[in-house]
Amino acid sequence: DSGVTQTPKHLITATGQRVTLRCSPRSGDLSVYWYQQSLDQGLQFLIQYYNGEERAKGNILERFSAQQFPDLHSELNLSSLELGDSALYFCASSVVTSGTTDTQYFGPGTRLTVL
Amino acid sequence: GQQVMQIPQYQHVQEGEDFTTYCNSSTTLSNIQWYKQRPGGHPVFLIQLVKSGEVKKQKRLTFQFGEAKKNSSLHITATQTTDVGTYFCAGPAGAGSYQLTFGKGTKLSVIP
Repeated sequence: DSGVTQTPKHLITATGQRVTLRCSPRSGDLSVYWYQQSLDQGLQFLIQYYNGEERAKGNILERFSAQQFPDLHSELNLSSLELGDSALYFCASSVVTSGTTDTQYFGPGTRLTVL
Repeated sequence: GQQVMQIPQYQHVQEGEDFTTYCNSSTTLSNIQWYKQRPGGHPVFLIQLVKSGEVKKQKRLTFQFGEAKKNSSLHITATQTTDVGTYFCAGPAGAGSYQLTFGKGTKLSVIP
């Protein structure tokens, strides 16, 4: 158990819909990262938040957005869903120590199926 | 941007055989990390290498960081069925970046 929690575990929805994925980082971790993993694909970095502010952006679609709240939990919003958005979405957290790339602790993931 | 290439994409080995996966970066890395993802699971941190030429061992796993800090390898001696999974290397997305760029991973299957 990494200490990172994600809800829901599974999500099935229809094209055109909007969903929200939730992540709670490990206690003490200030940074949250979101990744997308499609079938047999690597981990595609979407976005990073640090202490409530956006820190880095990857290949995140305009239909997707995220935020980190004062209690440090984060939400990833996916809208106008398409079939191709079906994937595993992982959240990871880290402390963010200056001068190095920290270990990232991954949550169990949310499996999104768009029908 | 910085890219991390990993080979092979898939590897099937007989239980007891050795296994190696290689990671190459287009740029010099300040450090490299390795993660393992079991089937149906999430990536789990294995190790971080920081120094040029560094070699670290974890039981049957040996991790190396190249002298030029642009490549790395993970070698597993005498594979077991518990080694099944996908092994990812990851390096900083850029100088001073806290973001990681992951390789596409090597999926290891072990035939008992």
